[in-house]
Amino acid sequence: EDQVTQSPEALRLQEGESSSLNCSYTVSGLRGLFWYRQDPGKGPEFLFTLYSAGEEKEKERLKATLTKKESFLHITAPKPEDSATYLCAPSGSSNDYKLSFGAGTTVTVRA
Amino acid sequence: NAGVTQTPKFQVLKTGQSMTLQCAQDMNHNSMYWYRQDPGMGLRLIYYSASEGTTDKGEVPNGYNVSRLNKREFSLRLESAAPSQTSVYFCASSEKTGENYGYTFGSGTRLTVV
Repeated sequence: EDQVTQSPEALRLQEGESSSLNCSYTVSGLRGLFWYRQDPGKGPEFLFTLYSAGEEKEKERLKATLTKKESFLHITAPKPEDSATYLCAPSGSSNDYKLSFGAGTTVTVRA
Repeated sequence: NAGVTQTPKFQVLKTGQSMTLQCAQDMNHNSMYWYRQDPGMGLRLIYYSASEGTTDKGEVPNGYNVSRLNKREFSLRLESAAPSQTSVYFCASSEKTGENYGYTFGSGTRLTVV
């Protein structure tokens, strides 16, 4: 059975304090690993897609990396506006290429 | 703005009542999806439609039905609501199902069944 586990569940950071979020997955035949940002009361918003191990993508203070079993979302020098829940979703042959979402990591950045 | 529109945004139902959640997209996407989101459990797929005229069950289809009315619209129906269906429901769309097509989500419908 496909599994997607995100850790930690919650992360409280001081502004400027860099950290990393983890996404572990067991989806086989991986074709893509998607990262989304979700603000309270809103739908998930697309951030990145990673296609192969070793690939990295960056957007402002966020950098996503991918290995064969995990993906990391690094937040460098975060600001309060980076506070959100971050969701990862692998897509592979074992889930018919539909996205399987983790429960997310809720990041709170204090000024 | 182009995107996915869901109605209503909030709804309270009594146990046993029925209702339909509406979803429309204006991006000419072929595939549409219904997810529910519960605390600590992430987004779970209820039903999806790979293309106009087709629908398939997802991970948690029991208690729901769907209709792909046309390419733009995909509705979710609760025939007899139960408290276990209290959740936030998201509709999403993508160019196609499969490979590396990411999803665009609506803003959600918060449903409470009492």
